Amino acid sequence: DAGVIQSPRHEVTEMGQEVTLRCKPISGHNSLFWYRQTMMRGLELLIYFNNNVPIDDSGMPEDRFSAKMPNASFSTLKIQPSEPRDSAVYFCASSLNPLAGGRETQYFGPGTRLLVL
Amino acid sequence: KQEVTQIPAALSVPEGENLVLNCSFTDSAIYNLQWFRQDPGKGLTSLLLIQSSQREQTSGRLNASLDKSSGRSTLYIAASQPGDSATYLCAPGVSGNTGKLIFGQGTTLQVKP
Repeated sequence: DAGVIQSPRHEVTEMGQEVTLRCKPISGHNSLFWYRQTMMRGLELLIYFNNNVPIDDSGMPEDRFSAKMPNASFSTLKIQPSEPRDSAVYFCASSLNPLAGGRETQYFGPGTRLLVL
Repeated sequence: KQEVTQIPAALSVPEGENLVLNCSFTDSAIYNLQWFRQDPGKGLTSLLLIQSSQREQTSGRLNASLDKSSGRSTLYIAASQPGDSATYLCAPGVSGNTGKLIFGQGTTLQVKP
């Protein structure tokens, strides 16, 4: 398996622009997680899905952030409008839990480095 | 709210030493605990997962222990190698079968040849 795939790997944009980050989880995994990593705040969970349904979005910083998972093989994280403080590395991770939720090991993608000028 | 602390924040040792990385967490009602490795500019790689009912897990030169009641976990690295240089992150899983992890800030390890 190719692992978790994220695109783009790097994104530079100007304040106010819309940014869309994409993630393809490992085939067969039923839980997907979006994280943000910064030097100041470390690694923070933004939102996670189980069987394509958002379970907990309490980590989403504000209404400018939204995430979707239209099917089991694709998810997006959108920031509109973007601000300089959104600059960070955004990771997507997936895991498998045959029962419910994401008990098992999480596998991380390589991340998207976002810079908002 | 779960808070995770990792000590030390950074560590530099000569090759061959045995190491202990510490992780403490404030809420002992965890579902499991994972240790991850992160290389510079890369994503995270899972090293070990300990279920809340377990006391330790081993993989090669790595051994992770869990004392849930005291809110502590340690990662033991035997015979360290320069290739072990990376940041190590501890992440207890929130109780309730959610899969949600709370990460510590990590310990950055440098192993010198």
